[in-house]
Amino acid sequence: AQSVTQLDSHVSVSEGTPVLLRCNYSSSYSPSLFWYVQHPNKGLQLLLKYTSAATLVKGINGFEAEFKKSETSFHLTKPSAHMSDAAEYFCVVITASGGYQKVTFGTGTKLQVIP
Amino acid sequence: NAGVTQTPKFQVLKTGQSMTLQCAQDMNHEYMSWYRQDPGMGLRLIHYSVGAGITDQGEVPNGYNVSRSTTEDFPLRLLSAAPSQTSVYFCASSVLGGTEAFFGQGTRLTVV
Repeated sequence: AQSVTQLDSHVSVSEGTPVLLRCNYSSSYSPSLFWYVQHPNKGLQLLLKYTSAATLVKGINGFEAEFKKSETSFHLTKPSAHMSDAAEYFCVVITASGGYQKVTFGTGTKLQVIP
Repeated sequence: NAGVTQTPKFQVLKTGQSMTLQCAQDMNHEYMSWYRQDPGMGLRLIHYSVGAGITDQGEVPNGYNVSRSTTEDFPLRLLSAAPSQTSVYFCASSVLGGTEAFFGQGTRLTVV
């Protein structure tokens, strides 16, 4: 079975303070892990991805995530929040087996940035 | 490089009407899929295809049909729209057996 748990449905931070969005996963296969961001009424934008290379992954707009296999986690962080970071963030697990792809989305975390 | 293109971006339908959501990709990907996004539920798989002429059901297929006559196109048909189908629909493509998905920009559908 494959699943993704985003531990917080809403996160609120002040502008300039650190951001932490938490994601835990389970998978029977070696997964690839992704973070997507969705601004209101917009499509999905890829922030970063982990595909079995370096465990600390740097993405766009100052975001990064660390893959911790022992903790089955892939938390997203940013040192200093900007107003433009206010959006919904999705953690995604993708595995492939026998030519078939299984994509599992988390239920999303809405990030609010307070001026 | 267009990637995955979905049309239309927005649509309003009356209950009982039918329509087709278009999805095209120019990356020669074998694998294509359709998802719906509902608040608090992430994305759920509706139908997928592993190549031209081959389709299969996903998690929430009822009320939707698909076909895949070419590698590039994977349209999603709503046979008789219902308010429960109000959602945002995403199309995705990837290399067969690959572990990265490329998403379109979504179609926001409202059924009244």
